[in-house]
Amino acid sequence: GAGVSQSPSNKVTEKGKDVELRCDPISGHTALYWYRQSLGQGLEFLIYFQGNSAPDKSGLPSDRFSAERTGGSVSTLTIQRTQQEDSAVYLCASSSAGPYEQYFGPGTRLTVT
Amino acid sequence: AQSVTQLDSHVSVSEGTPVLLRCNYSSSYSPSLFWYVQHPNKGLQLLLKYTSAATLVKGINGFEAEFKKSETSFHLTKPSAHMSDAAEYFCVVSDRPGNTPLVFGKGTRLSVIA
Repeated sequence: GAGVSQSPSNKVTEKGKDVELRCDPISGHTALYWYRQSLGQGLEFLIYFQGNSAPDKSGLPSDRFSAERTGGSVSTLTIQRTQQEDSAVYLCASSSAGPYEQYFGPGTRLTVT
Repeated sequence: AQSVTQLDSHVSVSEGTPVLLRCNYSSSYSPSLFWYVQHPNKGLQLLLKYTSAATLVKGINGFEAEFKKSETSFHLTKPSAHMSDAAEYFCVVSDRPGNTPLVFGKGTRLSVIA
């Protein structure tokens, strides 16, 4: 079946602009995660949605970052007033109620110039 | 908080020789542990997982890992390296029980020499 998809695959933006990154999880997966992979920081958790519960935002690096998940499916990660340090690959993953394996999308490479 | 330490940032082996990628974890409860692989310009793929069943876990492509609670280790091995194994490998622990965020190690880059 279809895996996790993300769009766009690449995004170049100017410093100070807002960007939106999209994630389509595997159908039926209740949990959705956003991670960031950067050279200096490795792979780090950003935000997590589980069903209809309030999202776990504990990994968001600043209030410029936000995410929503509409209808328990598609998610959008928004970065406002982008900075150069936001340049990274943003990965989305989803998992079902069990056995908790997370399936990752191909990522969106964000470059802030 | 849970954490993982990958002891080598880079491992280089000759084709046909064994592979050992080392990982130690820290967890306040019985953890779920994973190894993921990332080939250049490709997404993360799950190699294998440990979730409190058998301590020796077999994964895809001939990889396996052994959970050793006494040593807090979860090393990844393969008897014979193939050129296609060259990639970045991540040891991962779940943040807490259930469907929860993952905590990644820094990664080990595996090079395979012909």
